Amino acid sequence: EDKVVQSPLSLVVHEGDTVTLNCSYEVTNFRSLLWYKQEKKAPTFLFMLTSSGIEKKSGRLSSILDKKELFSILNITATQTGDSAIYLCAVGDAGNMLTFGGGTRLMVKP
Amino acid sequence: ETGVTQTPRHLVMGMTNKKSLKCEQHLGHNAMYWYKQSAKKPLELMFVYNFKEQTENNSVPSRFSPECPNSSHLFLHLHTLQPEDSALYLCASTQLIFTGGVEEKLFFGSGTQLSVL
Repeated sequence: EDKVVQSPLSLVVHEGDTVTLNCSYEVTNFRSLLWYKQEKKAPTFLFMLTSSGIEKKSGRLSSILDKKELFSILNITATQTGDSAIYLCAVGDAGNMLTFGGGTRLMVKP
Repeated sequence: ETGVTQTPRHLVMGMTNKKSLKCEQHLGHNAMYWYKQSAKKPLELMFVYNFKEQTENNSVPSRFSPECPNSSHLFLHLHTLQPEDSALYLCASTQLIFTGGVEEKLFFGSGTQLSVL
């Protein structure tokens, strides 16, 4: 059975801090790893990673995948209160199915 | 706006009621999904429709009944639910490429927050 584990479960930081969120997985026939941000209800897409060692970057957010060690990290630099959300990691397999992790709840205090 | 609209936003129902959740996507996608998000649990896939045909049913109890009349609309019919069914129900869509490639980037609706009393 496919498994995705995120850590930490929750995190409280202050504005300006840098955070690193972790996602480890056990998936048969891995295809891709995706990160989503869920602020209120609808998760919104951040990154899709398919190759090891290639960093994807969008503003203050970046992510990288290690297919040998089966994990990914999501980095947020210079955090802002608007970054407060649940960050979801999901892994897609060859059958087009996504398995989600339990999420990391990030709170950024002013 | 993600292009996926869900109604209602909130729903409170008794265990003997029958209600339906509605999802509509304006993205021209050919696959639609129902997910359940309970407190402190990962998103759980419930149903998948590809090209209007149901392809996955993840051991969901029969008190949940999906319907996909066309590639833009998806319903989840609810009857005789239990209190443990209270959760956020999320609809999502994507464009699956028939010839082998796959777009796994899901576009989610805002969900229906369901409370079963």
